[in-house]
Amino acid sequence: SQQGEEDPQALSIQEGENATMNCSYKTSINNLQWYRQNSGRGLVHLILIRSNEREKHSGRLRVTLDTSKKSSSLLITASRAADTASYFCATDPNQAGTALIFGKGTTLSVSS
Amino acid sequence: DGGITQSPKYLFRKEGQNVTLSCEQNLNHDAMYWYRQDPGQGLRLIYYSQIVNDFQKGDIAEGYSVSREKKESFPLTVTSAQKNPTAFYLCASSIGGSRGTQYFGPGTRLTVL
Repeated sequence: SQQGEEDPQALSIQEGENATMNCSYKTSINNLQWYRQNSGRGLVHLILIRSNEREKHSGRLRVTLDTSKKSSSLLITASRAADTASYFCATDPNQAGTALIFGKGTTLSVSS
Repeated sequence: DGGITQSPKYLFRKEGQNVTLSCEQNLNHDAMYWYRQDPGQGLRLIYYSQIVNDFQKGDIAEGYSVSREKKESFPLTVTSAQKNPTAFYLCASSIGGSRGTQYFGPGTRLTVL
């Protein structure tokens, strides 16, 4: 199946800086979701953006979606050490009977 | 205390043995999923079930089997036919189908000795 691709694979920043990670996908979608995974743990849902939405905010998170370019970005503002984790995008393809398709993730390291 | 649980957290298996991973949810979700995660990789779908007594193969179903006899339970059996079973296994559930948020369990790390 066609996965989303996150970019960059790894990102290292200082506390207080902003972190931006990108996701590209190949098929038309119903929605795109971002998840977070701390090392050795399960994934936690962060935000869902529908195909007819262009931008969504949740606390320090800002997600954009450009369906014409088949891409999304996740911005974390004023990063904290506790934001250190892997971040995955997941696309919900516009096809009946399919499940979410996860990308390989971006590993974010925030140092204090 | 609602949520999705997986057990055990760590599991060791000898080559040639079948082993079953447990996944239980009390969220009253219809859909449940099993994913495999290898180091530094994303999630790959093994099986999913959108309703009791029905399930579909995902991208990497070979060597795995599942059952969905109860709404709250979706056990995964890793059979001896799975050639490289050492991985981190994640179970998830969602209210209906794949359209919305998935809620994940804490995972089971399986190691084949």
